[in-house]
Amino acid sequence: NAGVTQTPKFQVLKTGQSMTLQCAQDMNHEYMSWYRQDPGMGLRLIHYSVGAGITDQGEVPNGYNVSRSTTEDFPLRLLSAAPSQTSVYFCASSYSGAGVPGANVLTFGAGSRLTVL
Amino acid sequence: QKEVEQDPGPLSVPEGAIVSLNCTYSNSAFQYFMWYRQYSRKGPELLMYTYSSGNKEDGRFTAQVDKSSKYISLFIRDSQPSDSATYLCAASNAGNNRKLIWGLGTSLAVNP
Repeated sequence: NAGVTQTPKFQVLKTGQSMTLQCAQDMNHEYMSWYRQDPGMGLRLIHYSVGAGITDQGEVPNGYNVSRSTTEDFPLRLLSAAPSQTSVYFCASSYSGAGVPGANVLTFGAGSRLTVL
Repeated sequence: QKEVEQDPGPLSVPEGAIVSLNCTYSNSAFQYFMWYRQYSRKGPELLMYTYSSGNKEDGRFTAQVDKSSKYISLFIRDSQPSDSATYLCAASNAGNNRKLIWGLGTSLAVNP
């Protein structure tokens, strides 16, 4: 049971380049999400998904795309990287049952550190 | 004003000290309160989870929620150098309990 696996761990991009951050979980969690963490800003939700085929925007979605074709995978795409997207990105998941106590306990991946030059 | 406020510190204590970490919140609809611990260059991990008011104890850790004053606390007894990390508080309401509102985190250093 690997939990939440993120790849790559580190990435350097040039402005304008695109890339995909990968996230996979093996816990059969229906809910998956992407956060970015910046000094002084804390954790901010980018996008989330409540199940395969369903995605929605968080508080800072601009410049990012997501899709959820399977329960296990939730990739985050940077369409045209900008220096403002330099950050640490975390994927997190939780089990189904919105409204059920414990459904909001998130399991986080180890993070992907992205630098955009 | 952020919905969940947390002093970022840093906080530095000697080994064995009792540590008190605190958050305040503004939304009276919050029912779920969590503390996550984040080691340097790692993802956050759940430390304590409470529903509504009251105390919850797990080993050296005690989480306390006072809904009348909208105050969330985490106490660490007999602190150890391995407790050095950033502690994040989070809250959510019952209607959309997967929408977590996060504090900024408090950096704690426990010195041997």
